[in-house]
Amino acid sequence: DAMVIQNPRYQVTQFGKPVTLSCSQTLNHNVMYWYQQKSSQAPKLLFHYYDKDFNNEADTPDNFQSRRPNTSFCFLDIRSPGLGDAAMYLCATSRSGWERSQPQHFGDGTRLSIL
Amino acid sequence: DAKTTQPPSMDCAEGRAANLPCNHSTISGNEYVYWYRQIHSQGPQYIIHGLKNNETNEMASLIITEDRKSSTLILPHATLRDTAVYYCIVTFGNEKLTFGTGTRLTIIP
Repeated sequence: DAMVIQNPRYQVTQFGKPVTLSCSQTLNHNVMYWYQQKSSQAPKLLFHYYDKDFNNEADTPDNFQSRRPNTSFCFLDIRSPGLGDAAMYLCATSRSGWERSQPQHFGDGTRLSIL
Repeated sequence: DAKTTQPPSMDCAEGRAANLPCNHSTISGNEYVYWYRQIHSQGPQYIIHGLKNNETNEMASLIITEDRKSSTLILPHATLRDTAVYYCIVTFGNEKLTFGTGTRLTIIP
């Protein structure tokens, strides 16, 4: 039944070693988002794709990149993870258009630990 | 997007109605009020949203004041599984959600 699937649920990487987190969706939504949620904080938007158009938030570090090869999949790449990048990473999707505002649907996140 | 103000925490007895307030005094005419909740170690879950009129679905009711400067989320019969952080978010659409600190709701047995 899961509609936004994030793998893995837990990821451990070494300081400075590139890591990729993945997200897939079965909703056929045209917008996909990546949020970062640090411990005891609210989720914070990193960037989103509107169809194939990439939209970066102004304060998202260059260390974070994203790819969306097709409608169903989106990846978050962290090029050189630092200790401060340890967090829960949440993927979300929505259907955007001219109709009434539509909600975002979230996955259960990937918790990233940095050694 | 307009800012929201929520109490940091609330308790509610199991089986009673939980009423969660939210102030959004700077909301503009075409901004929606959204409610999400986040249960520990899970992703945020959409609950309900509205523009002007009160809304009800299988999870909750949303009451928006006539001047739209505040709203209340009502969980009619709270259960232990409703324990979560509840976020009230005001947004023009769905492209960007700016989460505030939310209300930590604890359901007491």
